[in-house]
Amino acid sequence: ETVMTQSPATLSVSPGDRVTLSCRASQSVKNLLAWYQQKPGQAPRLLIYGVSTRATGVPARFSGSGSGTDFTLTISSLESEDIAVYYCQQCNDWPPITFGQGTRLEIK
Amino acid sequence: QAQLQESGPGLVKPSETLSLTCSVSDGSIRNYYWSWIRQSPGKGLEWIGFAHYSGSTNYDPSLRSRVMMSVDTSKNQFSLKLTSVTPADTAVYYCVRVYSSSYWYFDLWGHGTLVSVSS
Repeated sequence: ETVMTQSPATLSVSPGDRVTLSCRASQSVKNLLAWYQQKPGQAPRLLIYGVSTRATGVPARFSGSGSGTDFTLTISSLESEDIAVYYCQQCNDWPPITFGQGTRLEIK
Repeated sequence: QAQLQESGPGLVKPSETLSLTCSVSDGSIRNYYWSWIRQSPGKGLEWIGFAHYSGSTNYDPSLRSRVMMSVDTSKNQFSLKLTSVTPADTAVYYCVRVYSSSYWYFDLWGHGTLVSVSS
């Protein structure tokens, strides 16, 4: 099973900040990596897939990068509506498809 | 844009079977693979498995002995059955659409339904 580890667990941020979230895989997942955003009381939403492709309707301030085992989600200028928990997910080595434990953004 | 809606009991007794159904609003059920993902209170996301109208299924190995998924094209629905439940199966259960059979991302989610396992 490919274990996905996200860091940090919680990040205190302010509007306008450049925010970088990390996701590390226990083995290479090639480019089969996605990011999801989950706001309180809502279902997750696909943000980024294939490491760097934004899903439909996702603002350009969200970008993804990385390869192999180390990946990054960047929010170029945080807006208050971006406060959420972010999860990475791999689909290279499965079953099972696995998610990271999430990074929670909170207002500083 | 299609919508997904979960339905089923919100309370299941230990050792019984959890049964959920997901309704697909736009008739696209033959065009995609469909999954269930759960989220225990305060925890992360756990993929349970997927099903296709062809009968193809695949499950998380840790749940495989207790899980069954199926697709009913006549009703535009797919379903989840989880047997011999314990309190550890208490979670919000999401029905989810798979982006494609080549890229197993989840691009459309239901709102989720909380299932509690308790006597």
